[in-house]
Amino acid sequence: QVQLQQSGPGLVKPSQTLSLTCGISGDSVSSDSAAWNWIRQSPSRGLEWLGRTYYRSKWFDNYAVSVQSRITINPDTSKNQFSLQLNYVTPEDTAVYYCARSYGAPAPFDYWGQGILVIVSS
Amino acid sequence: DIQMTQSPSSLSASVGDRVTITCRASQSIRTYLNWYQQKPGKAPKLLISGASSLQSGVPSRFSGSGSGTDFTLTISSLQPEDSAVYYCQQSHNIPRTFGQGTKVEIK
Repeated sequence: QVQLQQSGPGLVKPSQTLSLTCGISGDSVSSDSAAWNWIRQSPSRGLEWLGRTYYRSKWFDNYAVSVQSRITINPDTSKNQFSLQLNYVTPEDTAVYYCARSYGAPAPFDYWGQGILVIVSS
Repeated sequence: DIQMTQSPSSLSASVGDRVTITCRASQSIRTYLNWYQQKPGKAPKLLISGASSLQSGVPSRFSGSGSGTDFTLTISSLQPEDSAVYYCQQSHNIPRTFGQGTKVEIK
């Protein structure tokens, strides 16, 4: 059974960096069949996919255009986890942030973290 | 980006009713369509993948159909525990995109 455990602060100041981590149990961040995603949810934007990292003989990533200039998703093979960094946050980045696994084809998000509400406020 | 449009945005139905939710993609996504159920304070839960494949443990009253641009989620006999918001999501293209959600309430 795959489990994803999220951690990180729930309050970030404007212009600072939002950093979250997603710990994986029951699978490997280096799996050659899975991808590791970050998704956020807010009343104004609904469910918004932010990006993913995955390993297929080497590491790849993809990001949403809306955050492409500010986002980094990194795998950590030593801890079997992956992280989200979102720079220069504004109040519009206030949302519940989820990590999720997508697997195989058609690659639905089959396992999700518990979600963390991140508020951007001074 | 592929736009996903759900209808209706909300509905109210009685226990035992047949409920249908529609999802339309702005371009063909073949059968790369997934359905999720979300209850308050919880992460979305995968119900159906590949337009019609029911996930293990999901009650058989849930079913999905469609291909190309038009898809349907059906609850054959609505139960009180089905009160939730339902989302479709396409996994054909990057970026992955979701519908805006359909809120299902029990009368």
